[in-house]
Amino acid sequence: DGGITQSPKYLFRKEGQNVTLSCEQNLNHDAMYWYRQDPGQGLRLIYYSQIVNDFQKGDIAEGYSVSREKKESFPLTVTSAQKNPTAFYLCASSIRGRLSNTEAFFGQGTRLTVV
Amino acid sequence: QKEVEQNSGPLSVPEGAIASLNCTYSDRVSQSFFWYRQYSGKSPELIMSIYSNGDKEDGRFTAQLNKASQYVSLLIRDSQPSDSATYLCAGQYGNKLVFGAGTILRVKS
Repeated sequence: DGGITQSPKYLFRKEGQNVTLSCEQNLNHDAMYWYRQDPGQGLRLIYYSQIVNDFQKGDIAEGYSVSREKKESFPLTVTSAQKNPTAFYLCASSIRGRLSNTEAFFGQGTRLTVV
Repeated sequence: QKEVEQNSGPLSVPEGAIASLNCTYSDRVSQSFFWYRQYSGKSPELIMSIYSNGDKEDGRFTAQLNKASQYVSLLIRDSQPSDSATYLCAGQYGNKLVFGAGTILRVKS
C-alpha cells in the first residue's frame, strides 16, 4: 500500500537529549514537510524539502534539523536546543511542480514527550 | 496578517443541518487551497482541494473559492455527529503549505 509512515508513534525524550523522528513515503512524491502541532493549535511548519539534498527552514526551525538524502525519507532531529519539544509532530508529502495537483498527505504522527 | 486565518469556533450545528466553515487568506498565498479534517489525537485527512474560482462539490462537501474577496469556505450538508472534528484550511505560499489554526465543528444529535 502506498502511504507515509512515521515512527515511532510515541517517543519520550530526556532533558538535553537529541531524538530523531522517522518519515518514509512510497508515493514517489518530491516534496516533504515537517509540522509541529501543540494542543488546540494549528500546524506550524518546521522544515520542508522540494528535492533530494535540498531543504528550507519553515517558521519554527530553531532547535530542529533535517536531512533529505533519499527521495523517500525525510527524518527530523529534535535537538537539545529545542527548549519546549513536547508536541505532536506530523510529516507530509506532496507532488511538486504541478499547479493543479499539490495535495499533501500526512503520516499518522509522532507524539513526543519530554520526561 | 497571517497567511491563512480561521475562526477557531466551536461551531455547533444540529444533526442534518448545513455546517459552513470559512477561511480568509493574504495576498501572499497562491490559488491552491485545501480543507483537512482532523479528529482528536489523529493526523489531518484531506477532504477537499480547490484551485479555481467558484464551487467544487464532492458528496456532502462543497468547497467555494472567491479570489476577489480572498476567502475559501467549506459547506457540509446533512451534518452528522461523525463530522464533529477540527477542520483545517490550508493554502500554498510559494513552496510552502501553510495552515490556519482550525475550526472546531460540533454536530449535535
